[in-house]
Amino acid sequence: AQSVTQLDSQVPVFEEAPVELRCNYSSSVSVYLFWYVQYPNQGLQLLLKYLSGSTLVKGINGFEAEFNKSQTSFHLRKPSVHISDTAEYFCAVSEMNTGFQKLVFGTGTRLLVSP
Amino acid sequence: SQTIHQWPATLVQPVGSPLSLECTVEGTSNPNLYWYRQAAGRGLQLLFYSVGIGQISSEVPQNLSASRPQDRQFILSSKKLLLSDSGFYLCAWTLPGQGSYNEQFFGPGTRLTVL
Repeated sequence: AQSVTQLDSQVPVFEEAPVELRCNYSSSVSVYLFWYVQYPNQGLQLLLKYLSGSTLVKGINGFEAEFNKSQTSFHLRKPSVHISDTAEYFCAVSEMNTGFQKLVFGTGTRLLVSP
Repeated sequence: SQTIHQWPATLVQPVGSPLSLECTVEGTSNPNLYWYRQAAGRGLQLLFYSVGIGQISSEVPQNLSASRPQDRQFILSSKKLLLSDSGFYLCAWTLPGQGSYNEQFFGPGTRLTVL
């Protein structure tokens, strides 16, 4: 079984500042890693995913994440945030090499960007 | 292009009343379908998933049930709602047979309040 931990429930940051949202996972098998974003009262949208290869993954809206296998982490970063980045961010994993996807989500981190 | 619809958008129901939430997907065939619940302060919990008509798998024992009467229709039901059923219900889909690395596409969600 897999589990995902997002230790920061809320991260306040000023506009144009950098931000890092932390994600750690636990799994006895290899997994794929995902970050999703949820704007208020909406569904989730994929930001980026790590499948294999380069450990630095770039996504939409200027976000990137780095996979660290030894630390079982997949932290999300953005060098300069905008007010519009205010949303909830979810880290998720799915077991590799299965014909069907079942995502296991973390509890989410609410990013609050203020002017 | 593919789209996913959920209705109603919001619902307020008394304890003990029945429930029916509907999700439909357009623009694809034989999608894998999912129901999630998002409770306040908690991550997304997978409730049910389906790989085809009439094929339902339950992840969490509860007083909810799901059905898939048509290829692109997924229904979440309850005979008697509990207070603990309150939450934000999200439907999602993935392409069939594409493995566990694919993106899940989420609907706009239904906010259910049980009083």
